[in-house]
Amino acid sequence: SSELTQDPAVSVALGQTVTIRCQGDSLSNYYPSWYQQKSGQAPVVILFGKNNRPPGVPDRFSGSSPGNSATLTITGAQAEDEADYYCSSRETDGDRFLFGGGTKLTVL
Amino acid sequence: QVQLQESGPGLVKPSETLSLTCSLSGASISTGGYYWNWIRQRPGKGLEWIGYIYYSGDTYYNPSLESRVTISADPSKTQFSLDLTSVTAADTAVYFCVRGLFGPHYFDFWGQGTLVTVSS
Repeated sequence: SSELTQDPAVSVALGQTVTIRCQGDSLSNYYPSWYQQKSGQAPVVILFGKNNRPPGVPDRFSGSSPGNSATLTITGAQAEDEADYYCSSRETDGDRFLFGGGTKLTVL
Repeated sequence: QVQLQESGPGLVKPSETLSLTCSLSGASISTGGYYWNWIRQRPGKGLEWIGYIYYSGDTYYNPSLESRVTISADPSKTQFSLDLTSVTAADTAVYFCVRGLFGPHYFDFWGQGTLVTVSS
């Protein structure tokens, strides 16, 4: 079966831009979704589809998905953005779902 | 507003069956276009999709768990359940029930999660 790969940890200076990457064969066929999880809380969706943000998600979060990879970009990272970020996608066969291993974002 | 709430034992003995229920408010499983998932997170680890049930009753499971998992829906269509058989310590995790949407796919509403510990 397929899998999604993420860098385990990334750091960014306050106010700077950071990109979190997700790679996997399924991304060639399906758009990813991205989730933010803060300590002790359930994940929250922040991006889905081509580059869609649910209501209430700041526009500093954006995404792209060229080929078999996807990126989540935070432009002007804030202290409250420190969290774990997960990408998700349908599996190549379309009926099942995958998560990446998660990226821990530290805002310095 | 859609809300999901997990319930079930917080402690299960090894080799026994873990059973959890997800109660919905503001939603019904019989509404098309949504699928109803269980997702877990082992302590300090990432998210793992377990499986889902669709309003048609169709189910799909993570291949790594498929031989031990059953997801079913209550006839009222306001609850769905997870049964995981022959559990071991590796099944200790926070279990979330989650609503998903097709086209494009994403998980929009999550329960708060419930910790299940497998221990004798």
